[in-house]
Amino acid sequence: DGGITQSPKYLFRKEGQNVTLSCEQNLNHDAMYWYRQDPGQGLRLIYYSQIVNDFQKGDIAEGYSVSREKKESFPLTVTSAQKNPTAFYLCASTSKKSGAIQEQYFGPGTRLTVL
Amino acid sequence: ILNVEQSPQSLHVQEGDSTNFTCSFPSSNFYALHWYRWETAKSPEALFVMTLNGDEKKKGRISATLNTKEGYSYLYIKGSQPEDSATYLCASENAGNNRKLIWGLGTSLAVNP
Repeated sequence: DGGITQSPKYLFRKEGQNVTLSCEQNLNHDAMYWYRQDPGQGLRLIYYSQIVNDFQKGDIAEGYSVSREKKESFPLTVTSAQKNPTAFYLCASTSKKSGAIQEQYFGPGTRLTVL
Repeated sequence: ILNVEQSPQSLHVQEGDSTNFTCSFPSSNFYALHWYRWETAKSPEALFVMTLNGDEKKKGRISATLNTKEGYSYLYIKGSQPEDSATYLCASENAGNNRKLIWGLGTSLAVNP
């Protein structure tokens, strides 16, 4: 089945530790996105990548880093510089055909709790 | 309007009721308006993507309209069922090379049997 997988579903880390959240898609989509959701706020874009080996900062990139070495993978690292890392993280992907509007497909999310 | 705003924030209806909610978005630099449904413990799923002023889309008992001149979209659910209970998110997509979605907070719908 085609889709997006995120692992793990729940993640606990100690303050000051870096942690990497995985996102894999087998939809052959070009673009991938990382969002963060906090209570009372809409989805906020952290980073996005429209093509392999390229990515751009979203609205709240500070304290995060990403890589896009393969089309199907877009891991997100939450570094110790992120002041408030506890949140629900969603990964999404879309096919970026020129001029076409593409709906985003989402993974199940990872809930990160920093103790 | 600079942000995407959705109203009401939450809604409780009885099974069989019809309901609607609103999404307001910036009309400048507009490219597309997206509606998603997010059920508890599942991933958000796309319902509609609309681009043109006056667009209307329908999927079963759910339909949506778009007014790009005044910057709003309505989502309608006819004859609500308990399985319609979810959070309905809208997002505005900007024009340009680096198209991004600006998300509203969502409308949480609970349909009581």
